[in-house]
Amino acid sequence: TQLLEQSPQFLSIQEGENLTVYCNSSSVFSSLQWYRQEPGEGPVLLVTVVTGGEVKKLKRLTFQFGDARKDSSLHITAAQPGDTGLYLCAGARNNDMRFGAGTRLTVKP
Amino acid sequence: NAGVTQTPKFRILKIGQSMTLQCTQDMNHNYMYWYRQDPGMGLKLIYYSVGAGITDKGEVPNGYNVSRSTTEDFPLRLELAAPSQTSVYFCASSYGSGDTFGSGTRLTVV
Repeated sequence: TQLLEQSPQFLSIQEGENLTVYCNSSSVFSSLQWYRQEPGEGPVLLVTVVTGGEVKKLKRLTFQFGDARKDSSLHITAAQPGDTGLYLCAGARNNDMRFGAGTRLTVKP
Repeated sequence: NAGVTQTPKFRILKIGQSMTLQCTQDMNHNYMYWYRQDPGMGLKLIYYSVGAGITDKGEVPNGYNVSRSTTEDFPLRLELAAPSQTSVYFCASSYGSGDTFGSGTRLTVV
């Protein structure tokens, strides 16, 4: 079983739609990161959240860290085909990093 | 600025062979990590290092060894390759808040 559960596992939407993906755990993390990975490449860091309840915005992407620092969400507004990819969350406990299995997003033009 | 560089990009090994996956970073990061990524399973931490001369086991260390003699380099050693080690291996580095990843090594053990 994964320490971090991501949902949904797959998501296919039309350009212009909004979406939210989730990253949940029963464990507390000192920080949580979101990455996007494209085929044949390594993950690319999107954001790091540290404080419970923290909200960060990156253009059309909004990231929220749960109050208890056990979960996080990523909301994309007006999705574009360029948002297509594998979205991974990762939680840090001391220096140990644990990744979720990812949400594979496809945005159709 | 090259970031994190991994070599080789692809490798096929026979069962029982050994090899070293190379990783070097030019960002003067103290933290370095080795992960493996299997289909549908996300990334799993193999080993990590918080600085030169210091290494620690991650979630799945069995069958692997690492060393960190310099800040820049963090090689991963497979001594007796097994089919279960077929995977994509990623090296990453950070200053402590979010990793920069290399482009990966795709290893197949037959």
